[in-house]
Amino acid sequence: EPEVTQTPSHQVTQMGQEVILRCVPISNHLYFYWYRQILGQKVEFLVSFYNNEISEKSEIFDDQFSVERPDGSNFTLKIRSTKLEDSAMYFCASSEVGGTEAFFGQGTRLTVV
Amino acid sequence: QKEVEQDPGPLSVPEGAIVSLNCTYSNSAFQYFMWYRQYSRKGPELLMYTYSSGNKEDGRFTAQVDKSSKYISLFIRDSQPSDSATYLCAMSAGSGGSNYKLTFGKGTLLTVNP
Repeated sequence: EPEVTQTPSHQVTQMGQEVILRCVPISNHLYFYWYRQILGQKVEFLVSFYNNEISEKSEIFDDQFSVERPDGSNFTLKIRSTKLEDSAMYFCASSEVGGTEAFFGQGTRLTVV
Repeated sequence: QKEVEQDPGPLSVPEGAIVSLNCTYSNSAFQYFMWYRQYSRKGPELLMYTYSSGNKEDGRFTAQVDKSSKYISLFIRDSQPSDSATYLCAMSAGSGGSNYKLTFGKGTLLTVNP
């Protein structure tokens, strides 16, 4: 069964460092998303991406965040200068049609120290 | 009023019980409704997907949407210990439009006791 895969599963980084979280969406899907979940809190939308551009972003997704689809299979989230409050689970998701069934990866647990 | 409200529980039931999980929402633009199951420190797993109002059944799971009341439900029949997880409702307004994001409830922690 096709699935969304994310690497790494756990990343520890020092405050102020840049991190890149990687995702391989399901191959025939056209819409890609990043969400995050701070421990004990709701899953929150960060950004959606379609046709090689951002289609929507939340207020959380400020200038320190960026997304890229560098080739036909990968989808990345870059955090330029990490802060302690960026510690969270980051989930990549993809869907065939925008706004409908979205399939999530297993997440990357980011710990900023 | 929060956009999506979900009772966080915890909810504890004996094996074989019927479980009812619910969410309410305030945004009348929502028309796509999903239920996800999430195990601890794992990604949300899509269980059920419904468009607009009505019922949808898949095995032991039934999803109901009442758009007039802005209320959605997930029923689990003959619950099993393996159903123990956090259940998240999620909804979106968009398809072909600009609002693709899913808005989640906080999740209900369910424990099914053998």
